Amino acid sequence: EVQLVESGGGLVQPGGSLRLSCAASGFTFSHYWMYWVRQAPGKGLVWVSRISSDGSTTTYADSVKGRFIISRDDAKNTVYLQMNSLRADDTAVYYCARMAGDATMVVDWFDPWGQGTLVTVSS
Amino acid sequence: DIQMTQSPSSVSASVGDRVTITCRASQGINIWLAWYQHKPGRAPKLLISGASSLQSGVPSRFRGSGSGTVFTLTISSLQPEDFATYYCQQANDFPLTFGGGTKVEIK
Repeated sequence: EVQLVESGGGLVQPGGSLRLSCAASGFTFSHYWMYWVRQAPGKGLVWVSRISSDGSTTTYADSVKGRFIISRDDAKNTVYLQMNSLRADDTAVYYCARMAGDATMVVDWFDPWGQGTLVTVSS
Repeated sequence: DIQMTQSPSSVSASVGDRVTITCRASQGINIWLAWYQHKPGRAPKLLISGASSLQSGVPSRFRGSGSGTVFTLTISSLQPEDFATYYCQQANDFPLTFGGGTKVEIK
């Protein structure tokens, strides 16, 4: 069964840092592009970042560029999101997602998703 | 950025009803569009990709159509498990963007 499990969320003060992890299982992790998407309380879904299957390409939403870093460790089947200089408007549930399909071509839609991890930025 | 506008933002419907959700892109995106279903506390689920391709395991009562700037998601006969929020997402250009969501509620 394909599964994604996020961890690392919690309460952090403004200006602080947090690293999210997403452990993948049930598929050949190294073949797939991976993504982070977030949802602020009561709001809709917002794409945050993506990383290529070989880790050489990363893309970010403007709202997090220069503050967040996506990375992956294929030996651990894990993708990370290092979040620095956190702001109140970064408060959200953060979802990890895999590129949909069989990895033969890059398509930027997401399947499956993890259950999410809550990040709260507050003093 | 490509803006995705969904309508309506919410709809009240009964089991067995036909429900149609519209998603409009601020510029043409060919068929680079996906639809997701999201229930509270659960992982979002991909229903349709490429505007009209039903994902494996998704019931055939879900149908996607459209190309360019106007897309629709139709649920032909609403079932109890379909009450959720639905989002469209464009994959034509970065940043990837979602519509604001349509909440399908029980009448």
